[in-house]
Amino acid sequence: GAGVSQTPSNKVTEKGKYVELRCDPISGHTALYWYRQSLGQGPEFLIYFQGTGAADDSGLPNDRFFAVRPEGSVSTLKIQRTERGDSAVYLCASTSTSGPSNEQFFGPGTRLTVL
Amino acid sequence: DAKTTQPNSMESNEEEPVHLPCNHSTISGTDYIHWYRQLPSQGPEYVIHGLTSNVNNRMASLAIAEDRKSSTLILHRATLRDAAVYYCILRANSGGSNYKLTFGKGTLLTVNP
Repeated sequence: GAGVSQTPSNKVTEKGKYVELRCDPISGHTALYWYRQSLGQGPEFLIYFQGTGAADDSGLPNDRFFAVRPEGSVSTLKIQRTERGDSAVYLCASTSTSGPSNEQFFGPGTRLTVL
Repeated sequence: DAKTTQPNSMESNEEEPVHLPCNHSTISGTDYIHWYRQLPSQGPEYVIHGLTSNVNNRMASLAIAEDRKSSTLILHRATLRDAAVYYCILRANSGGSNYKLTFGKGTLLTVNP
């Protein structure tokens, strides 16, 4: 079946611009996570959705970052006034139900480059 | 989340077994031990997880020390496609709903032909 997909695969933007990154989770998965991975580091948690609501946004670095999941499936990560330090790979993961033993399924990521 | 310690890198030869160690001396009784791997230019993928007993699946085996302060991921016959960064992650059974993954730097496994 189809896995988690993310679009675009690559995004190059200029400092100060606004960007949107999209995640299509596996159909029926209620839990959705966003992570950010800088070069040479492991992914870092940004935000977690259970259904339509952001259940935990404690990983968002500042108020320039925002994410939505209006219908409980597709999610969009929005970054305002981008900075060079936002350059990273943004990963999305979904899981059927939330639990400590459940596998998370990751998408291929969106590589964001801020010039 | 409790911390894990892994070697930065390891090397193996194709067709040979690989033992990837992970120390987690501050693990609590309800923490699950998960392993994910990340192939170049891809998102992480689940490998295996366990709580107390050793586990086997089609990809690998997980050996958990009796005191649970360490574990070892075992790839029985390494292939070139196993070259990846391997992450050992503890997930607390917190009773909440956010079971995020807390990644360290992982172990970069190189497989030589």
